[in-house]
Amino acid sequence: NAGVMQNPRHLVRRRGQEARLRCSPMKGHSHVYWYRQLPEEGLKFMVYLQKENIIDESGMPKERFSAEFPKEGPSILRIQQVVRGDSAAYFCASSPPGRARETQYFGPGTRLLVL
Amino acid sequence: QKEVEQNSGPLSVPEGAIASLNCTYSDRGSQSFFWYRQYSGKSPELIMSIYSNGDKEDGRFTAQLNKASQYVSLLIRDSQPSDSATYLCGGSGGSNYKLTFGKGTLLTVNP
Repeated sequence: NAGVMQNPRHLVRRRGQEARLRCSPMKGHSHVYWYRQLPEEGLKFMVYLQKENIIDESGMPKERFSAEFPKEGPSILRIQQVVRGDSAAYFCASSPPGRARETQYFGPGTRLLVL
Repeated sequence: QKEVEQNSGPLSVPEGAIASLNCTYSDRGSQSFFWYRQYSGKSPELIMSIYSNGDKEDGRFTAQLNKASQYVSLLIRDSQPSDSATYLCGGSGGSNYKLTFGKGTLLTVNP
């Protein structure tokens, strides 16, 4: 029973490049959340998605960041033209449908380093 | 703006003692609360969830919720060195279930 999977686990990009972070939710989970954790900071909500729908993107910067959760395949968090301030750990969490959907389980994270 | 505040610590307790972690929240609409444990360099791991006023016990862990005081706590009994980690308090409310977290409390259990 695999947990939430994220890849890559570590990603190094130079300023101006694009970063693509992938997340496969736990089996049977239909809700995906992305969070960012900056050094010495808490987890900050970025976006909440269900299959083919963005439900809440209130925590995502308006520029350069986008997210999707297609009908088939993993959820993708895309950061265009990365800057040093984007260096952080990006965690994906998933939750099941129904009444248990408040309970989120986190993946191992992607550590992004922008040089 | 919804805020979750945690005593920033660090908190240091001897092995076998009770560790008390506290959290307050500003949004009265918050319905559900979660405690996650995060080891350095790792991802958050769910420890406890609590939805109703009162206490909820699971093994050595007890979560307490007081919605009138907007206060959540986590007690760890018989603390072990393996409990040394950062503990994150998160709250959710409304229809989208996103979690708002505090900055975390670093707990060190000394052998």
